[in-house]
Amino acid sequence: AQSVTQPDIHITVSEGASLELRCNYSYGATPYLFWYVQSPGQGLQLLLKYFSGDTLVQGIKGFEAEFKRSQSSFNLRKPSVHWSDAAEYFCAVGGNSGGSNYKLTFGKGTLLTVNP
Amino acid sequence: EPEVTQTPSHQVTQMGQEVILRCVPISNHLYFYWYRQILGQKVEFLVSFYNNEISEKSEIFDDQFSVERPDGSNFTLKIRSTKLEDSAMYFCASSVWTSGGLGTDTQYFGPGTRLTVL
Repeated sequence: AQSVTQPDIHITVSEGASLELRCNYSYGATPYLFWYVQSPGQGLQLLLKYFSGDTLVQGIKGFEAEFKRSQSSFNLRKPSVHWSDAAEYFCAVGGNSGGSNYKLTFGKGTLLTVNP
Repeated sequence: EPEVTQTPSHQVTQMGQEVILRCVPISNHLYFYWYRQILGQKVEFLVSFYNNEISEKSEIFDDQFSVERPDGSNFTLKIRSTKLEDSAMYFCASSVWTSGGLGTDTQYFGPGTRLTVL
């Protein structure tokens, strides 16, 4: 069964500081990995995705993530956080294992607070 | 930029009542999904739908739930007899395809409908 672990429930950073949000996944085949962001009262917005190829992927709003197969990780990074980045961040895995080509499995999310 | 829309944004109902949550997926998308997020918990997959039939469903999606694409634009989730534990945010999503069966394509989510069952 596929699963996603986001070890940090809540992270607080200062504006301008760097950010890394952790994500570990369990998946029996080639994983397709996603990061979504949810601002209060909003839906889930796709930040970036990894399907294949270059393991460092760039997304919107200056975010990037690195796929490390050996560590089963897909951590999200941003070099300099802006106050508008305060939101909840979800890592998700999908793929082609066992005929389950359709569903995404989400982590519990990491709430990011940005201090001025 | 095209987006998934959902109505209503908030629905309050009495236990035992039927509710229908509505979604308009992105127009050229072929795969449609429902997820839910109980307050404080993770987003959970409910069902996926393609070519007018369910392609996959979770154990949550029991006989109380049904989905339908009544016309060329809407995609609905019906809960026949709501329970207190159905209170959650329900997200609709859509994707163009699933990479020709090779895996999950990018799913685009709507803003959600918050369902409150009293």
